[in-house]
Amino acid sequence: GENVEQHPSTLSVQEGDSAVIKCTYSDSASNYFPWYKQELGKRPQLIIDIRSNVGEKKDQRIAVTLNKTAKHFSLHITETQPEDSAVYFCAASSGQGGKLIFGQGTELSVKP
Amino acid sequence: SQTIHQWPATLVQPVGSPLSLECTVEGTSNPNLYWYRQAAGRGLQLLFYSVGIGQISSEVPQNLSASRPQDRQFILSSKKLLLSDSGFYLCAWSVSGDEQFFGPGTRLTVL
Repeated sequence: GENVEQHPSTLSVQEGDSAVIKCTYSDSASNYFPWYKQELGKRPQLIIDIRSNVGEKKDQRIAVTLNKTAKHFSLHITETQPEDSAVYFCAASSGQGGKLIFGQGTELSVKP
Repeated sequence: SQTIHQWPATLVQPVGSPLSLECTVEGTSNPNLYWYRQAAGRGLQLLFYSVGIGQISSEVPQNLSASRPQDRQFILSSKKLLLSDSGFYLCAWSVSGDEQFFGPGTRLTVL
């Protein structure tokens, strides 16, 4: 089955710097890759996603890139702000019933 | 717009007691429904998913079960809880089979 590895597990940046979180997946049939943000005690919120027919997608300060050949995808946050502090999860899906396999999460801390 | 509800929000149960968690979705028809468990604030583990009434797929062997008695209702149950069942239980829905949206969750503590 699918396996998703996420790195780093913790990331600390200064406000205004960029943050990059990377994930690799094992199943070449996976074709949908969402990213979720989870604040302490809250539900995960979908922040951006990408499908396998595109290589990059941007939404204001966040962007996701996908390399199908290498089977990895990354989340990029520019001009980080303290409110970006949260745990971020990547996931992969092959479309079978829409099952998402999640990475273990990255705890991002943005210091003012 | 679509809304997803879960209850209860928090639950403290003794070992060996039964469990019933409920999830309902409003504003959509025939959604895919999912149960996840999150332990220690990390790592969402898919427990069950359903593509229709009475159709349940189990992902992880355990002492939990799921049922979907109505189109927009998904129930997670156990006959006898274990200490290891403690965690944050999240229900999610999807229409497209891709984008999933999570409910507010139930925090379960088994003592």
